[in-house]
Amino acid sequence: NAGVTQTPKFRILKIGQSMTLQCAQDMNHNYMYWYRQDPGMGLKLIYYSVGAGITDKGEVPNGYNVSRSTTEDFPLRLELAAPSQTSVYFCASTIHRDSTQYFGPGTRLTVL
Amino acid sequence: DAKTTQPNSMESNEEEPVHLPCNHSTISGTDYIHWYRQLPSQGPEYVIHGLTSNVNNRMASLAIAEDRKSSTLILHRATLRDAAVYYCILRRFISGSARQLTFGSGTQLTVLP
Repeated sequence: NAGVTQTPKFRILKIGQSMTLQCAQDMNHNYMYWYRQDPGMGLKLIYYSVGAGITDKGEVPNGYNVSRSTTEDFPLRLELAAPSQTSVYFCASTIHRDSTQYFGPGTRLTVL
Repeated sequence: DAKTTQPNSMESNEEEPVHLPCNHSTISGTDYIHWYRQLPSQGPEYVIHGLTSNVNNRMASLAIAEDRKSSTLILHRATLRDAAVYYCILRRFISGSARQLTFGSGTQLTVLP
């Protein structure tokens, strides 16, 4: 049981490039979340999903897109990378809306 | 939106109790109080949560004020492994079908040997 996994662990992008951050969970959780954490700050919610085919915006969605075609996977897409998107990105999942959130190890992204 | 206020940093000696305070004066009746911690270079991990009554688990205790405007996370015997950023979070609905964890900047706990 791997829990929540994220790839890659680190990535450097040039301004204007695009990439997809991968997130997968093997706990059959319905709810999945993407957060970003800027240096010295708490986490901010980007997007979330309550099940396959259903996604919605969080607090800071601009510049990102998500999809949820399966229960296990919840990829986060950056279309035109900007320096303001330099951050650590965490994916999380939970089985019910009121249950504990389980977090992945994070992806550290730098946009130069 | 209700938010929480925590000290930026605290220190504790190893094997002594630690009391981490949190103020949430604008908490609403449906907000659960959650505590997560984040060890260096890792994702946050759940510690404990409560609504009105004090709670205990194997990791910690949570003491909630009677008016619910403040709470305290209690680590009974701090170890070096407990050095982390501790987040006090109010968990509330963001739609009819999900609850958001709203993170503040947390308290950096340093445990001294």
